Amino acid sequence: KQEVTQIPAALSVPEGENLVLNCSFTDSAIYNLQWFRQDPGKGLTSLLLIQSSQREQTSGRLNASLDKSSGRSTLYIAASQPGDSATYLCAVVLCGEGWETSGSRLTFGEGTQLTVNP
Amino acid sequence: DTGVSQDPRHKITKRGQNVTFRCDPISEHNRLYWYRQTLGQGPEFLTYFQNEAQLEKSRLLSDRFSAERPKGSFSTLEIQRTEQGDSAMYLCASSLDRKDSPLHFGNGTRLTVT
Repeated sequence: KQEVTQIPAALSVPEGENLVLNCSFTDSAIYNLQWFRQDPGKGLTSLLLIQSSQREQTSGRLNASLDKSSGRSTLYIAASQPGDSATYLCAVVLCGEGWETSGSRLTFGEGTQLTVNP
Repeated sequence: DTGVSQDPRHKITKRGQNVTFRCDPISEHNRLYWYRQTLGQGPEFLTYFQNEAQLEKSRLLSDRFSAERPKGSFSTLEIQRTEQGDSAMYLCASSLDRKDSPLHFGNGTRLTVT
């Protein structure tokens, strides 16, 4: 069974700091990995999607890397801002799930709660 | 494109009552998913539709739960004889029929069973 782990569970940093969030998964046979942001009481916003054949994706101040062989992904946030405060979740789609019947069935980690202090 | 919308945003019900939630996906998305999220946890997969066909159901989806997507557009999730353990955020997501298509989530329906 695929397990996704995110470390740390919570992180508090001063504004302007660069930071790294970690995600690890036990089964390296994945189609893709997604990073999401969730604000309190809200749904999830997709930040970045990395295909299994890719090593990284970038969007603005965000950079996500993927090392499939070691079962790890990192989300790098540059020059953090108070508006970045949220819970960040990573999720994977397993190859073994059967794309045709399971679609993008995601297995999520428990998230990292980020607080950026002004 | 107004995104994925869910209704209602909040639902408080007494144990034993039936509840129904609605999800309207992004219009061109033919894949629709339901997830459940409890406090401090990541979402857990419940079920998945491709167009109107329900192709997979999680073991989390007991026989008190039923989901439909009759015309391949909006979907409903019904919970019969609700229990306190059903209290959670129910999230709907949609995507295109492509492996590189990210899931787009709605803001969820928060269910509280008293």
